[in-house]
Amino acid sequence: DTAVSQTPKYLVTQMGNDKSIKCEQNLGHDTMYWYKQDSKKFLKIMFSYNNKELIINETVPNRFSPKSPDKAHLNLHINSLELGDSAVYFCASSHRGPSQETQYFGPGTRLLVL
Amino acid sequence: RKEVEQDPGPFNVPEGATVAFNCTYSNSASQSFFWYRQDCRKEPKLLMSVYSSGNEDGRFTAQLNRASQYISLLIRDSKLSDSATYLCVVNDPSGGYNKLIFGAGTRLAVHP
Repeated sequence: DTAVSQTPKYLVTQMGNDKSIKCEQNLGHDTMYWYKQDSKKFLKIMFSYNNKELIINETVPNRFSPKSPDKAHLNLHINSLELGDSAVYFCASSHRGPSQETQYFGPGTRLLVL
Repeated sequence: RKEVEQDPGPFNVPEGATVAFNCTYSNSASQSFFWYRQDCRKEPKLLMSVYSSGNEDGRFTAQLNRASQYISLLIRDSKLSDSATYLCVVNDPSGGYNKLIFGAGTRLAVHP
């Protein structure tokens, strides 16, 4: 049983395209996150939702738009993809606040922009 | 200064060795501390939380020094399966919501 799942696992696309990544968790958590891990391996938070409400929004270009249709889902849509968007995007979830409970990560989506 | 700094390694050690990783953090308001483990091309997974008094989980011991803003992880009797990247993680409570700040990780390679 996958706790946090993401689709697709790999995404290769051209510059300028629009793409979406989906995330679902079946842990009953109320907080979900999107992280970006770049080529230098830094894992940086992008967004966090608690009960469908946006609570963390880091300095991310507005080409990135998260959407949480319900507590169990958090999707990420990226417009006008750029070369620098190439990275691994991880979804995660936890109970309550980000530091109060363990964060469980999805397997990641490897995005390559050509 | 980076918010969480770690020696990137790699640390190459033989099986059975004891190895220690260190980490420093810049935000004195941080209250929660963790070590995560990330295998190659996999997602990060929590290894252990770090408590003020220090804590142990089997072969793993974590220590926290708030005055020096320093966290450590000691691995005793290293196994081949310990080979991974170890991420030091602290919370940033500013802005009203806690968020986690990850270090870039220390790579460990255990060889036979």
